[in-house]
Amino acid sequence: KNEVEQSPQNLTAQEGEFITINCSYSVGISALHWLQQHPGGGIVSLFMLSSGKKKHGRLIATINIQEKHSSLHITASHPRDSAVYICAVSAGGGADGLTFGKGTHLIIQP
Amino acid sequence: KAGVTQTPRYLIKTRGQQVTLSCSPISGHRSVSWYQQTPGQGLQFLFEYFSETQRNKGNFPGRFSGRQFSNSRSEMNVSTLELGDSALYLCASSLLAMETQYFGPGTRLLVL
Repeated sequence: KNEVEQSPQNLTAQEGEFITINCSYSVGISALHWLQQHPGGGIVSLFMLSSGKKKHGRLIATINIQEKHSSLHITASHPRDSAVYICAVSAGGGADGLTFGKGTHLIIQP
Repeated sequence: KAGVTQTPRYLIKTRGQQVTLSCSPISGHRSVSWYQQTPGQGLQFLFEYFSETQRNKGNFPGRFSGRQFSNSRSEMNVSTLELGDSALYLCASSLLAMETQYFGPGTRLLVL
């Protein structure tokens, strides 16, 4: 069973700062997902990646398969980025569904 | 395109009762997954259906079951409810199994 660890658990930053959230996992995977959850519960899928790097607007996700590690970066952070960011992994062949990290609670202060 | 819809949005039940939750995926999506979210355990995978077949099941007791219909709509059922079943139940759909997940708003279940 895969173990997914995220750090930090909580992060408070000022508007405009560069944010990094880390995710590490214990067993080989087929894909890693970054999710965003706002207060009230709604979850949005930000990225799904199996290698390299993806960018969408101010968000960048990277993954290092050899080191079993992924990072989510937010450039020029804004108060609307305040949310819980969750890392999840799927095993090879999609077996066992998604395994989730505990999430990183991010607050961006104006 | 309409998003993933879940009904009902809120539900209050008492211990021992059973409950059925419904999920309508995005049109054309054939995979539906169900998740439970609690403050203590976070998000946990319940099961995944693809083309009416259960592909994967998480580590939950047999009281939790589900099914998928030919139109890809899915239901999950929890029998003999326990207090610990109080949670946010989320479903997500994807075009193919375990691809980018599109989440519904969730059903918040309270068991008294």
